[in-house]
Amino acid sequence: EPEVTQTPSHQVTQMGQEVILRCVPISNHLYFYWYRQILGQKVEFLVSFYNNEISEKSEIFDDQFSVERPDGSNFTLKIRSTKLEDSAMYFCASSEVGNEQFFGPGTRLTVL
Amino acid sequence: GESVGLHLPTLSVQEGDNSIINCAYSNSASDYFIWYKQESGKGPQFIIDIRSNMDKRQGQRVTVLLNKTVKHLSLQIAATQPGDSAVYFCAENKGDYKLSFGAGTTVTVRA
Repeated sequence: EPEVTQTPSHQVTQMGQEVILRCVPISNHLYFYWYRQILGQKVEFLVSFYNNEISEKSEIFDDQFSVERPDGSNFTLKIRSTKLEDSAMYFCASSEVGNEQFFGPGTRLTVL
Repeated sequence: GESVGLHLPTLSVQEGDNSIINCAYSNSASDYFIWYKQESGKGPQFIIDIRSNMDKRQGQRVTVLLNKTVKHLSLQIAATQPGDSAVYFCAENKGDYKLSFGAGTTVTVRA
């Protein structure tokens, strides 16, 4: 069964450093998403991406964040200068048009 | 404001009993609802969905009920098993491909 994969599973970084979280969506999906979940809290939408551009973004997704689909398979989330409060699980998801979103296993980001 | 929420943060259920997890939403424009299951250390896993033109949908051991009049969504799990222990989230979609998640209910199955 096809699935969304994410790397790394755990990323530890120093405050102020840049991180790139990587995702490989399901191959025939057209919509891609990033969500985050702070420990013990609900899953929060960050951004959706379609046709090589951002479709929608939340208030959380400020100028420190960016997304990219550098090739036909990868979808990345970059945080330019990490803050302590960026520590969370980051989930990538993908979907066909109008169908359910399939989530990856997540990357745990720890900012020290 | 717009929100999706669950009535109870925790639910303890005896193995073999049925479970009912509730969710209230406030945005009457939402037209698509999903229940996700999240096990410890994993991403949300799709369980079942329902569109606003339906009031009931059944899957394998699960049933989702939608009451648009009171903006209420529920997930029923039949014959709850130990593997059903997880956090359950309802999520709504307003047609813009952005999911809004509720706070989650932690289900614990007692042997």
